[in-house]
Amino acid sequence: QLQLQESGPGLVKPSETLSLICTVSGGSISTNSYWGWIRQPPGKGLEWIGNIYYGGSTDYNPSLKSRVTISVDTSKNEFSLTLPSVTAADTAVYYCARLPSWVRYFDVWGRGTLVTVSS
Amino acid sequence: QSALTQPASVSGSPGQSITISCTGTSSDVGRYNYVSWYQQHPGKAPKLIIYDVSNRPSGVSTRFSGSKSGNTASLTISGLQADDEADYYCESYAYTSTLPYVFGTGTKVTVL
Repeated sequence: QLQLQESGPGLVKPSETLSLICTVSGGSISTNSYWGWIRQPPGKGLEWIGNIYYGGSTDYNPSLKSRVTISVDTSKNEFSLTLPSVTAADTAVYYCARLPSWVRYFDVWGRGTLVTVSS
Repeated sequence: QSALTQPASVSGSPGQSITISCTGTSSDVGRYNYVSWYQQHPGKAPKLIIYDVSNRPSGVSTRFSGSKSGNTASLTISGLQADDEADYYCESYAYTSTLPYVFGTGTKVTVL
């Protein structure tokens, strides 16, 4: 059974870089799927951040495109999110999820990890 | 392109049916049959319950059903149960948009 698990610091200082990793288990990341990041500020709705294909091609939310980078490491079966110059507005639960390439929905989600931006 | 519009809250008594709307535009909900719905219990990750407007993943109760008319999609929960109390989000794909994946604003379902 495919499982995704987010990991990374739970606290990041303003103006520093948020870095998260999503580890894929129970299956290979090198399949015909996209791998995505979605975030949810406390008490608010879901926001799509971006996707990456195992081959490396990416799509990003235009509102974050200038800041966000998603990369994949097939040897480690994981993909990552980097968001520099964070502010309090980046405080959220960050989820990673799978988007099979032949569909248009996220079918498997990680449990999520809360990242708080505060000094 | 902004979030799809959902009612902030919907409530119903056990056994009743409720419907949640999700309004988009002719560029997303109205253009493609790529509307999905997610259920999110407090402190948990979203769970896919409807995909491609009206299809249910394996294991999802038949009490959940989806439909679409024009730029508005709908999720109906029949035979409301206590465990249905959760937040529900719609999501639509829009290939030609600069924002290909957009979520709804979310609806809190309360079982009275």
